[in-house]
Amino acid sequence: AQTVTQSQPEMSVQEAETVTLSCTYDTSESDYYLFWYKQPPSRQMILVIRQEAYKQQNATENRFSVNFQKAAKSFSLKISDSQLGDAAMYFCAYTYYGNNRLAFGKGNQVVVIP
Amino acid sequence: KAGVTQTPRYLIKTRGQQVTLSCSPISGHRSVSWYQQTPGQGLQFLFEYFSETQRNKGNFPGRFSGRQFSNSRSEMNVSTLELGDSALYLCASSSTGSWRENTEAFFGQGTRLTVV
Repeated sequence: AQTVTQSQPEMSVQEAETVTLSCTYDTSESDYYLFWYKQPPSRQMILVIRQEAYKQQNATENRFSVNFQKAAKSFSLKISDSQLGDAAMYFCAYTYYGNNRLAFGKGNQVVVIP
Repeated sequence: KAGVTQTPRYLIKTRGQQVTLSCSPISGHRSVSWYQQTPGQGLQFLFEYFSETQRNKGNFPGRFSGRQFSNSRSEMNVSTLELGDSALYLCASSSTGSWRENTEAFFGQGTRLTVV
């Protein structure tokens, strides 16, 4: 079974600073996809960034970037220039090609300090 | 383009009762997945429907069931409610349900179920 592990349940960051969230996963699949989702107080899950395992280049989306270490099965999210609107729960998620379910980590609560 | 709509947003039920939750996916999306979110267990996959057929099922008891209609709207039913069923139930829709480039799962805002 695929598992996704997130440590550090809560992380605080000063506004305009950088914070990195860690995620490790376990899989025997070769073709898979990794995601970071954001869940604000409204509860709606919003896709932040995705990474295809076959791509060596790390994905970036504006202030969000990932460090994908395939051999180590590590997938961290870096939030640069943190803004108050970034405060939310962040979930790392995994799925593999041919499957249609997401496996989620337990989440990281990000608190942004003005 | 309207997003994923889940109804109702909040629900309070008594132990032993049954409940039906509804999810209307984004227009044109044929895959609907359901997830249960609790503080203790986190987000867990319940099942996924594609073109009215259940394609995948998580590790939940038979009290949890679902269906999908021809217009892709999906319902989830929980019978004989237990206190432990109290959770946020999230629905996600995608165009194909098969993960390829640019396929994305769009989530609704969830239904908060409280069992008393």
